[in-house]
Amino acid sequence: GESVGLHLPTLSVQEGDNSIINCAYSNSASDYFIWYKQESGKGPQFIIDIRSNMDKRQGQRVTVLLNKTVKHLSLQIAATQPGDSAVYFCAENQRIQGAQKLVFGQGTRLTINP
Amino acid sequence: EAGVTQSPTHLIKTRGQQATLRCSPISGHTSVYWYQQALGLGLQFLLWYDEGEERNRGNFPPRFSGRQFPNYSSELNVNALELEDSALYLCASSLAWVAEETQYFGPGTRLLVL
Repeated sequence: GESVGLHLPTLSVQEGDNSIINCAYSNSASDYFIWYKQESGKGPQFIIDIRSNMDKRQGQRVTVLLNKTVKHLSLQIAATQPGDSAVYFCAENQRIQGAQKLVFGQGTRLTINP
Repeated sequence: EAGVTQSPTHLIKTRGQQATLRCSPISGHTSVYWYQQALGLGLQFLLWYDEGEERNRGNFPPRFSGRQFPNYSSELNVNALELEDSALYLCASSLAWVAEETQYFGPGTRLLVL
């Protein structure tokens, strides 16, 4: 069935470096995508979202890129900090017959090395 | 402003018992969503309630059910518990059920079935 997946399950970067987390989606009808951050023992925290009529959106130290041609989503985190260590999930908002739900990828664990 | 709250934080049950999990959405939010996050896995959509009605349901058996109260809080009930029901159950709320409304998550209830 339709799904959202991640290319890399784990990613380690040096503190201060930039990181890129990738996500592939298969439902071409989805028009809204979200990145969440989940720290150990906590619920997912909203980071940034993007609508399908956009290619790029920037937040504080984070940028989300959407490539609809290849159904690819990425999250860029600039100047990584120890507090960025977490599992990052991409999610796709699927709408079917008026109902909607978020479909999450499996997650990528980002580790920031001091 | 208070975020999404869930209770209890932890719940231990035995096979065959019933579990009731509770969620209070952010003030003003009318939609409540439930997700299951099994260990090492991503979030799987369970149920979506809006204005007291069940709007969408994930691929889970009927022993997973819930309801939304007039104050928009929600309960998730799991009957005839099985070992594989052990997971983190996350509740999220959004402002409305229209598309592209960001879902904000609570800290979750960790259910352990023995």
